[in-house]
Amino acid sequence: EAQVTQNPRYLITVTGKKLTVTCSQNMNHEYMSWYRQDPGLGLRQIYYSMNVEVTDKGDVPEGYKVSRKEKRNFPLILESPSPNQTSLYFCATRRDSNQPQHFGDGTRLSIL
Amino acid sequence: RKEVEQDPGPFNVPEGATVAFNCTYSNSASQSFFWYRQDCRKEPKLLMSVYSSGNEDGRFTAQLNRASQYISLLIRDSKLSDSATYLCVVIPGGLGTYKYIFGTGTRLKVLA
Repeated sequence: EAQVTQNPRYLITVTGKKLTVTCSQNMNHEYMSWYRQDPGLGLRQIYYSMNVEVTDKGDVPEGYKVSRKEKRNFPLILESPSPNQTSLYFCATRRDSNQPQHFGDGTRLSIL
Repeated sequence: RKEVEQDPGPFNVPEGATVAFNCTYSNSASQSFFWYRQDCRKEPKLLMSVYSSGNEDGRFTAQLNRASQYISLLIRDSKLSDSATYLCVVIPGGLGTYKYIFGTGTRLKVLA
């Protein structure tokens, strides 16, 4: 079964405590992206990756890092989380540039 | 002007009604278009791709109007289970093909 798996699904943490949200896909897709979704602002792309070791900034990259050391995994790293990073986060993958995306179940982060 | 715009709604319609949403885009070179459905606090799920000649999937019909730069989604015989937020997605052409631009969504409520 095609899957995009995010962990954790929910996290409450405090300002400044580094955290990582993992994303793993079993579809051998080239493209992976991270989005955040906030009320009234829709889905905004944080970072994307077109292949292993190829990553680039999306529209709202500040405060985030990513890595793509292997095709299946694309973790999102918050080195020093702040309350304005409280949001619903989605990882997504697609086979190539003009194909539909498949989303993970989402991670709800609360930074106090 | 936003790259992709949708009427946020909500559209409140009775069961059995026909409802249509439009989504306008600003980049005339845009190549690929999709409609996604998102239930509250869940991940977006692909509803249908939008093809140049228009396409239908059961009660759902998607159309593309390149001259006026909009896509549309028509839902016939609305069901209570159609209540959700509908997101349009546009993939620009050329160097921007990595981008997946979401509208902010149109909320639909189907009433018994």
